[in-house]
Order: sequence, then C-alpha cells, then structure tokens
Amino acid sequence: NAGVTQTPKFQVLKTGQSMTLQCAQDMNHNSMYWYRQDPGMGLRLIYYSASEGTTDKGEVPNGYNVSRLNKREFSLRLESAAPSQTSVYFCASSEIRGLKETQYFGPGTRLLVL
Amino acid sequence: QKEVEQNSGPLSVPEGAIASLNCTYSDRVSQSFFWYRQYSGKSPELIMSIYSNGDKEDGRFTAQLNKASQYVSLLIRDSQPSDSATYLCAVKGVGRDNQGGKLIFGQGTELSVKP
Repeated sequence: NAGVTQTPKFQVLKTGQSMTLQCAQDMNHNSMYWYRQDPGMGLRLIYYSASEGTTDKGEVPNGYNVSRLNKREFSLRLESAAPSQTSVYFCASSEIRGLKETQYFGPGTRLLVL
Repeated sequence: QKEVEQNSGPLSVPEGAIASLNCTYSDRVSQSFFWYRQYSGKSPELIMSIYSNGDKEDGRFTAQLNKASQYVSLLIRDSQPSDSATYLCAVKGVGRDNQGGKLIFGQGTELSVKP
C-alpha cells in the first residue's frame, strides 16, 4: 500500500518548456487535489477532482491544466512554464465521511523554472 | 482578509512547556477544522480534527474550537524537540450543491522546541 505517489521528485525547467506532474493513489479515494506551496504562503489549491471524470478550479489555476485519467491518477500539466511557477507541488487524496475528511499527501515535486 | 489566518512565527518554546498555536477563519458556515503537521522538507500529515465547539484531546495534543469567535487552536503539552515543525490550520466549509467544501489552509506556524 504505497498511499499517494508523485513523479518526478525534482525538476528543472527553462521558461516556456512544458511538463506533466504525475500523481497516483491506491486508497480508492474519490477526491484528489493539486496544491502548490511557497514560503510563507501555506498550501494553495490549484485544481481538484471530486470524482473520476470531474475537475474544478481552485484558488490559483492560471497556467495549469489537469486530467483525472481514472480513479487512481490525477496529473497536472504546465503548458508553458514561468519562473513564478517555481514551487513545491503536492498531490493529495481524501477519505471523506460526512464532515470528516482526511487528506493524504504525496511526497511532493520540487520544481525550479529558470 | 485571508480566509484562514495563522501567525507565521517562528514560535519558540522550551522543552516541556505548552505550545499554543492559533488560527482564525472568516467563513461562518465552516464545519470542519483540522491541524496538519509538516516537518521541513516533508509533506503535511493530519494530527487533529475537530467539528464541534469545545476541546478535543488526543495524547499531548488538544484542539479547541470556538465557532462564535471563529477561532481554533492547538495546544501541545510537554513539548518535545521532535514537535519542531510547521503546523497548518485547515478549514472546510460547506460546498455548493451539497458536493462538500474544499479545505482552505492557513500559511502555517513554525514551532521550534528548544532542549
């Protein structure tokens, strides 16, 4: 039981390059999320998916696209990377029972855009 | 006004003391409240959740909720150096069309426990 996995762990891009961050969970959760974390900013939601086949924008979606490929996988794509997208990216999935929600986070992807 | 606010710290306490971490939120209809701990270079992990007014205790951790004041706190008793981390407050509101709300995170409070 690996939980939430993310690839790659580290990436350096040049401005204008594109890349896809991969995320997978093996806990059979319906909800999955992509966050970015910058110093002093906490976690900011980029996109989320409440169930397979649905996606919705979060707080900071500009410059990103997502795909919920199936129940296990939720990918984040940067079409044309910018230095402002230098950040640590976390994928998470949630177990939700009424009011109770536990989010499980992946190990993160550290992205540097030059 | 940010939806969820925390003092960024750092908060420094001596070993064995009580560490008090505070969080305020703006959405009055929020129903679920969480504390996550994040060690440097690691991902966040859930340590406490609270849903009704009052105190909830789990070992050395106590979460306190006051919905009237829109305030949630985390107390860590007998603080240990291993408690040194960033603590993130998260609030979940009521979403649209009964789909459930999203978690909104505060910016985190850095705690340092000195031996």
